[in-house]
Amino acid sequence: DGGITQSPKYLFRKEGQNVTLSCEQNLNHDAMYWYRQDPGQGLRLIYYSQIVNDFQKGDIAEGYSVSREKKESFPLTVTSAQKNPTAFYLCASSIFRNDVDYGYTFGSGTRLTVV
Amino acid sequence: QQQVKQSPQSLIVQKGGISIINCAYENTAFDYFPWYQQFPGKGPALLIAIRPDVSEKKEGRFTISFNKSAKQFSLHIMDSQPGDSATYFCAADRMNTGFQKLVFGTGTRLLVSP
Repeated sequence: DGGITQSPKYLFRKEGQNVTLSCEQNLNHDAMYWYRQDPGQGLRLIYYSQIVNDFQKGDIAEGYSVSREKKESFPLTVTSAQKNPTAFYLCASSIFRNDVDYGYTFGSGTRLTVV
Repeated sequence: QQQVKQSPQSLIVQKGGISIINCAYENTAFDYFPWYQQFPGKGPALLIAIRPDVSEKKEGRFTISFNKSAKQFSLHIMDSQPGDSATYFCAADRMNTGFQKLVFGTGTRLLVSP
């Protein structure tokens, strides 16, 4: 079955610590995205990547970093510079398309909590 | 700058009733308007989408109504069921770029009471 796998499901971070969230897809999708979800704020774009070895900042990139060394993988690092990292993080992928019925495929998310 | 405004923030509907969620957008270049459904602890999933060349699209109990002149679109859930209880997000994008970069609304938490 094709899909997106995010791990871990739950992650706890100590103050000043960097943590990396994993996102792997086997859909052969070209584009991948990271969103942050906070109550009442919807989904806010952190970073996105259209092709391997290329990525762009989204609306709230400060304190985050990504890499895209393989088409299947798009890990997100939450650095100590991110002052309020507690949130639900969603990874998504999509194909280049002109069909209205294609959309994002999302993973099941990682809930990050600062302890 | 919020480009897609969604309302209401939460909604309670009785079983069998009609749920209506509204969205308004600002960027006239948007030409693709999907709705996503998210259950607790899960990622959102595409529910239904519309392009502005039609004013309405229906899939089962779910209907998108689109008003291009008002820059508004809405999701109607007919005969709402408890299993429809979820958070719904509207979104917008420009399809002519060939690459998706959705702008999402803030979400509506729907509760359908038995």
